[in-house]
Amino acid sequence: KQEVTQIPAALSVPEGENLVLNCSFTDSAIYNLQWFRQDPGKGLTSLLLIQSSQREQTSGRLNASLDKSSGRSTLYIAASQPGDSATYLCAVEGRDDKIIFGKGTRLHILP
Amino acid sequence: ETGVTQTPRHLVMGMTNKKSLKCEQHLGHNAMYWYKQSAKKPLELMFVYNFKEQTENNSVPSRFSPECPNSSHLFLHLHTLQPEDSALYLCASSQRSSSSAGQETQYFGPGTRLLVL
Repeated sequence: KQEVTQIPAALSVPEGENLVLNCSFTDSAIYNLQWFRQDPGKGLTSLLLIQSSQREQTSGRLNASLDKSSGRSTLYIAASQPGDSATYLCAVEGRDDKIIFGKGTRLHILP
Repeated sequence: ETGVTQTPRHLVMGMTNKKSLKCEQHLGHNAMYWYKQSAKKPLELMFVYNFKEQTENNSVPSRFSPECPNSSHLFLHLHTLQPEDSALYLCASSQRSSSSAGQETQYFGPGTRLLVL
């Protein structure tokens, strides 16, 4: 049974710092891994989608990596801004089409 | 309207009530999803519809009944719910095809926050 774990559960960093969010999964037989952002009272926003054959994806200040063999992904945020404050969710889609989410990391960027 | 919309945004219902959640996607996608997000728990996939056909029911209790009349609309009919069903219910859509397996980005609606008394 696939399990997705995100560490840390919460993180506060000063504005301008670079930071890394971690996601680990137990079953490496995945189709893809997605990182989402969730703002209070709003739905999820997809940030980056990494296919199983890819190692990383980049979008602006965000970079996500995938190491399928070790069951790990990281989301790197460069030069953090107060507007980056949100909950970040990692989700993996297995070859059985099931999508399993982690509990998320609640990020707070201090002005 | 653009993207994925959900109504109502907030709903309070008694355990004996019957209500429905509505989701509409304006993206031309062919797959739609219902998710449940309970406090302090990971997001859970409930149902998946591809081309209006249900392809996944993730062991969801029968008091939740989905309906997909067309590829743009998805409903979640609720009846005799329990207080532990109080949660944020999120709808999402994506464009699925056999050639793009594993490449579909999901787009989410704002969710319906449900409180069962």
